[in-house]
Amino acid sequence: AQSVAQPEDQVNVAEGNPLTVKCTYSVSGNPYLFWYVQYPNRGLQFLLKYITGDNLVKGSYGFEAEFNKSQTSFHLKKPSALVSDSALYFCAVRQSTDSWGKLQFGAGTQVVVTP
Amino acid sequence: GAVVSQHPSRVICKSGTSVKIECRSLDFQATTMFWYRQFPKKSLMLMATSNEGSKATYEQGVEKDKFLINHASLTLSTLTVTSAHPEDSSFYICSAARDGQETQYFGPGTRLLVL
Repeated sequence: AQSVAQPEDQVNVAEGNPLTVKCTYSVSGNPYLFWYVQYPNRGLQFLLKYITGDNLVKGSYGFEAEFNKSQTSFHLKKPSALVSDSALYFCAVRQSTDSWGKLQFGAGTQVVVTP
Repeated sequence: GAVVSQHPSRVICKSGTSVKIECRSLDFQATTMFWYRQFPKKSLMLMATSNEGSKATYEQGVEKDKFLINHASLTLSTLTVTSAHPEDSSFYICSAARDGQETQYFGPGTRLLVL
């Protein structure tokens, strides 16, 4: 079984400050890890993924995430947050051996960036 | 790009009627599509995996006779909510992945309100 934990329901940050959204996972074998962002009443937008290779992954809109196998974490980061980054962020994991490619999502973290 | 569309974006129906939601991959072919349900400020719950040319695979607790899924072509999957009731009111989101690739791309979602 696979699971994802996003320990923070909400993260508040001032514009211009660094933003971190935490994610830890549990999966058998090698994980495929993803971050998505959702704006109100919209579908999910893909931000970035880790499949293999370099542990530091760079994605859309200046976001990056670091895969840490020993800590089973995949935290999302942005060096300087924008008000427009305010949204709901989801971490997701799948087993590399899952032929269907089913994703397990975390509960989501609401990010609020204040001017 | 990898664009997934959904139609309709919003639908209001009377209790007891059936509603069909379409999910299309606009610029790629997808053997597999996924249907999710999302409650307000909650994570996504996978309902079923839709496979082109074969029966859908439903997650535990999802009524297959209630939520009919048809994946008629490599670019179209439909979800029909049969005999809808107010408790079926929700945000339904589909996703698709290019064949052989790991990333799921999501549609914009369909807001269903059953009166």
